[in-house]
Amino acid sequence: DAGVIQSPRHEVTEMGQEVTLRCKPISGHNSLFWYRQTMMRGLELLIYFNNNVPIDDSGMPEDRFSAKMPNASFSTLKIQPSEPRDSAVYFCASSPHNQPQHFGDGTRLSIL
Amino acid sequence: GNSVTQMEGPVTLSEEAFLTINCTYTATGYPSLFWYVQYPGEGLQLLLKATKADDKGSNKGFEATYRKETTSFHLEKGSVQVSDSAVYFCALSDTGTASKLTFGTGTRLQVTL
Repeated sequence: DAGVIQSPRHEVTEMGQEVTLRCKPISGHNSLFWYRQTMMRGLELLIYFNNNVPIDDSGMPEDRFSAKMPNASFSTLKIQPSEPRDSAVYFCASSPHNQPQHFGDGTRLSIL
Repeated sequence: GNSVTQMEGPVTLSEEAFLTINCTYTATGYPSLFWYVQYPGEGLQLLLKATKADDKGSNKGFEATYRKETTSFHLEKGSVQVSDSAVYFCALSDTGTASKLTFGTGTRLQVTL
């Protein structure tokens, strides 16, 4: 079975540029989560969706961050404009109803 | 609010040693509890879970028991291997297993020959 697929695996870009991270959840999973992991702050939940609808975006750090889920098989996390402090590993996870989350391998983002 | 406290790492053990990683939690209601493991360069993988008091989760030789009286969910393994070297995260979910997870800070385990 294919797991959660994230792309790109690595992204290096200059500050001020727009960054788009992509996630394909496991087919049939109706919940999708975006996390950010850094050494300083650990693992932080940014936003999660149920049935393509954003439920809790209280973890989104600021207006530069936005997330969409246009259909059940695709989600994006966008940062515009990007800043060096956004450098982190970003994880997407999905789950079926009332089951544990499955994580992707993450996108390692470096903002220069 | 909910919180999870894990023992700080890194934890360094010799192969075949006994492992304990402590985890305590604060939550309202009756949370579900989880241990996730993260190998280098990978995402988190569910290691084991327990959904009610006195449940014991187990997988790959690892065990953890949901102790409501001490609000703990300590991870144990009787004999660790080099391949167990990873970061271990304790987590809780308070409204069903698919809702948002509250994670601990993670504990890095290094097993040497």
